Amino acid sequence: DIQMTQSPSSLSASVGDRVTITCRASQGISNYLAWFQQKPGKAPKSLIYAASSLQSGVPSKFSGSGSGTDFTLTISSLQPEDFATYYCQQYNSYPQVTFGQGTRLEIK
Amino acid sequence: QVQLVESGGGVVQPGGSLRLSCAASGFTFSSYGMHWVRQAPGKGLEWVAFIRYDGSNKYYADSVKGRFTISRDNSKNTLYLQMNSLRAEDTAVYYCAKDGSGYSYASAFDIWGQGTMVTVSS
Repeated sequence: DIQMTQSPSSLSASVGDRVTITCRASQGISNYLAWFQQKPGKAPKSLIYAASSLQSGVPSKFSGSGSGTDFTLTISSLQPEDFATYYCQQYNSYPQVTFGQGTRLEIK
Repeated sequence: QVQLVESGGGVVQPGGSLRLSCAASGFTFSSYGMHWVRQAPGKGLEWVAFIRYDGSNKYYADSVKGRFTISRDNSKNTLYLQMNSLRAEDTAVYYCAKDGSGYSYASAFDIWGQGTMVTVSS
């Protein structure tokens, strides 16, 4: 099974900051990497697919990069609505996908 | 608009059964692979099961294999998850999710349902 490891597990930042979350795969997954945002008590929301492509309607403040085993999600100019938990997901072994453990982004 | 709405959750005793449903609208349901994903209280996301757009192939996580069955009725635009021999560790919010590409081509999820809570407790 492909394991996904996110870092950090939690992150404190201020409104207006730019933050980066990292996701590492236990083996190469090309660009079969997605990112999701989840707010407390809500369903996950799809942000990025194919490592760097934005889902429809997702603002350009979100960006993704990487290929192989190392990936990043960057959020620029943080706003209050961006504070949430973020998950990466590999689908190289589709349909048996796996998720990272999540990164909780909190307001400083 | 594209929408997935789960139902069927509830409280069940260990060893019991439950069937979840996921009603789809706003897209051609019969063209897309569908997944179930769960999230235990305070925990992360765990993939549970997948079914091809035409129902011809099904895949399961090891944790549910032999106990859960995924199915679909394309005439009713509905996805199902039959859960048998339930255990306390199956307690979670269950989400259905849609493939971003049709015909079960490898793709990320693009749409999620709102989730339905399953509690396994005596």
